[in-house]
Amino acid sequence: AQSVTQLGSHVSVSEGALVLLRCNYSSSVPPYLFWYVQYPNQGLQLLLKYTTGATLVKGINGFEAEFKKSETSFHLTKPSAHMSDAAEYFCAVDGYQKVTFGTGTKLQVIP
Amino acid sequence: EAGVAQSPRYKIIEKRQSVAFWCNPISGHATLYWYQQILGQGPKLLIQFQNNGVVDDSQLPKDRFSAERLKGVDSTLKIQPAKLEDSAVYLCASSLAPSGTTDTQYFGPGTRLTVL
Repeated sequence: AQSVTQLGSHVSVSEGALVLLRCNYSSSVPPYLFWYVQYPNQGLQLLLKYTTGATLVKGINGFEAEFKKSETSFHLTKPSAHMSDAAEYFCAVDGYQKVTFGTGTKLQVIP
Repeated sequence: EAGVAQSPRYKIIEKRQSVAFWCNPISGHATLYWYQQILGQGPKLLIQFQNNGVVDDSQLPKDRFSAERLKGVDSTLKIQPAKLEDSAVYLCASSLAPSGTTDTQYFGPGTRLTVL
């Protein structure tokens, strides 16, 4: 079985501040890990993914995430928040031919 | 490259009625997924096709939901009869290769279903 836990259903940051969205996973096999972003009334768009190799993964729009096996975490960060980052973010794990999504974190950016 | 297309974008029906959703994946993508996203939750996989065969339908409520992917290209998802708890966004996604590989899933805009 596999699962994803996203800590904090809502996160607010000021424009220009650090963005940190937390994701912890469980998987019985070495997982592939993903972060997706969803804007209102749109489908999900891939931000970044970890498969193998380098544990620090860079994605689009200045986001990055670090895979920490010992902590079973894959937290998403961005050094400086922009108003356009306001959206819902989903962490997902692909452990064995099935993708499981977390419940999502809504990011609010305060001007 | 055209993305994943879905129609309709919105649908309102009464409980016990039937409804069907259509998805056209990215050209050449062998794998197609249907997800259900209930408000406030993450997407839940309903069914996964590899070409026109079913790979995983373990979370599909088969007493009322059905899906097909004839000719291994576009797909339809049907609910018959609908219940109030089926109100959700139904997302279609496609990828070149199946999950369990490094391949990326590309999502359509979804169909928002409201059951009254």
